[in-house]
Amino acid sequence: RKEVEQDPGPFNVPEGATVAFNCTYSNSASQSFFWYRQDCRKEPKLLMSVYSSGNEDGRFTAQLNRASQYISLLIRDSKLSDSATYLCVVNADTGTASKLTFGTGTRLQVTL
Amino acid sequence: GAGVSQSPRYKVTKRGQDVALRCDPISGHVSLYWYRQALGQGPEFLTYFNYEAQQDKSGLPNDRFSAERPEGSISTLTIQRTEQRDSAMYRCASSSTEAQETQYFGPGTRLLVL
Repeated sequence: RKEVEQDPGPFNVPEGATVAFNCTYSNSASQSFFWYRQDCRKEPKLLMSVYSSGNEDGRFTAQLNRASQYISLLIRDSKLSDSATYLCVVNADTGTASKLTFGTGTRLQVTL
Repeated sequence: GAGVSQSPRYKVTKRGQDVALRCDPISGHVSLYWYRQALGQGPEFLTYFNYEAQQDKSGLPNDRFSAERPEGSISTLTIQRTEQRDSAMYRCASSSTEAQETQYFGPGTRLLVL
């Protein structure tokens, strides 16, 4: 089983739609969780951290369920510019604060 | 300010040759990370440094891969006796401290081994 699993997509949605991505992780001792965004042929960039209580940043909402080892990202009112690959990222509990494990990514395509 | 830079951006080499990939982190960033990213996959951790000390090299695939950061700034990832399976995008990232989990990635070096 992969350490971080995501549906690779692609998710094709019309502009204005709401779309949700899910991710599961295998290491129950993982401490920190993130969503990164990667545009085609570009480097990954941090989109948002994911907190146990859930957190929101504009149109983006991230949630964490530690019991189920499940992370989600909700995008409301999708824009064309949201088209990208969304990477679920987990900080492995190895005593190394920032050893990140990335999922394969979920590709989103927003269309007119 | 300047972000993470990597050179070369593209490297084509013949099987059996050694290659050296360079990473210049954001100025003042303490931690530097190397990842490898295959097409359609997320980045895969290789190794990381705090200042000049290599803290974790558990992700290096075998002993043909090595990395150094002698002065705690620029880092070099070296692959000896390259093989076709080494072909991938090699990405470097840096963070201001080890505790700062936001990592800033460079544009990557695309390596093709023929």
